[in-house]
Parts: sequence; structure tokens; C-alpha cells
Amino acid sequence: AQTVTQSQPEMSVQEAETVTLSCTYDTSESDYYLFWYKQPPSRQMILVIRQEAYKQQNATENRFSVNFQKAAKSFSLKISDSQLGDAAMYFCAYSPRGAQKLVFGQGTRLTINP
Amino acid sequence: DSGVTQTPKHLITATGQRVTLRCSPRSGDLSVYWYQQSLDQGLQFLIQYYNGEERAKGNILERFSAQQFPDLHSELNLSSLELGDSALYFCASSGQSRSGNTIYFGEGSWLTVV
Repeated sequence: AQTVTQSQPEMSVQEAETVTLSCTYDTSESDYYLFWYKQPPSRQMILVIRQEAYKQQNATENRFSVNFQKAAKSFSLKISDSQLGDAAMYFCAYSPRGAQKLVFGQGTRLTINP
Repeated sequence: DSGVTQTPKHLITATGQRVTLRCSPRSGDLSVYWYQQSLDQGLQFLIQYYNGEERAKGNILERFSAQQFPDLHSELNLSSLELGDSALYFCASSGQSRSGNTIYFGEGSWLTVV
């Protein structure tokens, strides 16, 4: 069974600093996608970043970047220059190619300290 | 704005009642997904439709049903409601585009059963 594990229930960081959220996954598939979604207090699910497993280059989106280690089945999210608006629950998610469904981790609640 | 539209945004109903949640996917997306997010649980995949046909089924109760219509909008029907059905119900969509497997979420429908 495919599983996603986020081992950090809560994280906090000072504004303007860098924070890394961890995610590991388990799958026997070789072709898949990984995602980080952000859920602010409004509860809306917002896509932050997407990584295709066959691409060795780590994805980046402005202040957000990932460290994708396929052999280790690790997919961490780095947020640089943290801003107050980054405070949210962050979910790591996995999807095999074909997008039949997303498998989510338990989430990490990120607090930004001013 | 993800382009996925859900109605109603909030709904309060009594135990034993039946409700229908509606979703319009992003323009051109053929796949629609329904997810449930309870307070004490993560995001649970309920069901996926692709171009009108059921494609994948998750932890959907027998009291729940869904369908996707020819215009690609979808409805999730929840019947014989129980207190434990109170949750945030997300609709999401994906399609054949440069975004590939990326699944975009609507803002969710808050269901409170009293």
C-alpha cells in the first residue's frame, strides 16, 4: 500500500528565516508525482509545488523548493525567507501516474513567529 | 482561485437528513474527485469520476453516493446523516493539460450535522 508520512506534527520558524518540512513515502511504483499542499486557516487546499518522479531536478517555485531523494523516498519542502502568510498546515501528497487519487500525509502545522 | 467551484460553502442539517453537494470542475478537466476532511482525521479520498464514469473508489460509505453529469459537474449525495459526517468536503479536478497529474481543489463545503 502507498503511504505518506510526515513526522513533524508542528514546526515553527522566525519570520524571514528558512524552514524545512519533512516527508517520506512508500511505493513500489517507479513513475509518480509528489506534491506539497498548503491549507491556511481558511481551510482551502492550495497547491504549493509539484515534483515528477522521473525528473532528477528538484522543483522550485519562488521561495519554495523541494529536496527530492527518490532512492530514499524522501520529499522535503524548504521555505526560504518565511513570511507570516506562510503560516498554515502543510500536506505532502503522492499520486501515481494516472491521478486516480492523492494519498496524503498527516500534515505539519507551520507557525511563523514575528 | 483554483477554478473548481463548490456549492454550498456551508450547510447545517439535522441527523437523518439528506444533502447534496455540488461541484463544477476546472474548464476542460475530465476527472472529479471527492475528499472528506474531518477534524480528527486527515484528507480521506472518497471517489473519483472520469468523464461520467466511476474510476476509483475510496473510503466512501454506502450512505454516500456520487455522480458526474454530461456537462462534467458532479454531485455528492449524503443520506441518513450522522453527527460523525460533519466535515469539510472537498471536490477536486484534474485533466489532460500541461499540469499533468496535478489535482486542484475547490474551497470545500462545510457540512455540520446537528
